Amino acid sequence: GENVEQHPSTLSVQEGDSAVIKCTYSDSASNYFPWYKQELGKGPQLIIDIRSNVGEKKDQRIAVTLNKTAKHFSLHITETQPEDSAVYFCAASDPQGGSEKLVFGKGTKLTVNP
Amino acid sequence: GAVVSQHPSRVICKSGTSVKIECRSLDFQATTMFWYRQFPKQSLMLMATSNEGSKATYEQGVEKDKFLINHASLTLSTLTVTSAHPEDSSFYICSLQGGGPETQYFGPGTRLLVL
Repeated sequence: GENVEQHPSTLSVQEGDSAVIKCTYSDSASNYFPWYKQELGKGPQLIIDIRSNVGEKKDQRIAVTLNKTAKHFSLHITETQPEDSAVYFCAASDPQGGSEKLVFGKGTKLTVNP
Repeated sequence: GAVVSQHPSRVICKSGTSVKIECRSLDFQATTMFWYRQFPKQSLMLMATSNEGSKATYEQGVEKDKFLINHASLTLSTLTVTSAHPEDSSFYICSLQGGGPETQYFGPGTRLLVL
């Protein structure tokens, strides 16, 4: 089945700097890659996603890039703000799973220092 | 995106009792819902896939007789933790599929503490 690796596990940046989180996946048949932001004690919130027919997608300060050949995708946050501090999870669709399941990375705790 | 609610937000119960958690879709008819469990500082672990009108599909290692799932309507799925034990203490989160293939929207989660 699909396996997703996520790095780094923790990331600390200064306010205004950029943050990059990287994920790799194992199954080349995966075609959907969402990113979730989870604040303490809350459920994950979908912040951006990308499908395998595009290489990059942007939404204001957030962007995701996908390299299908290398089987990796990345989340880029520019001009970080303290409210961006949270745990971020990447995920990939599981082609073998049926029911359109997602496989999640282990998460990255992002801290934005004022 | 879709709006998902869960009830209760947190529950404390005694060992051996059963607890029911509700997951509701407030603005979307969801034929498929998912139930996850998340231990502190860990990722989301899929427990089961809940399909409206049919039996849930459980992930390997998840006891179907302990975690009862009912998806009786397009807007409601319930998870019942039967004979709860302290090791069942966790954060339980549901999600529903909507807005496109594979897209999942999550509820706010339910914190379960079994004493």
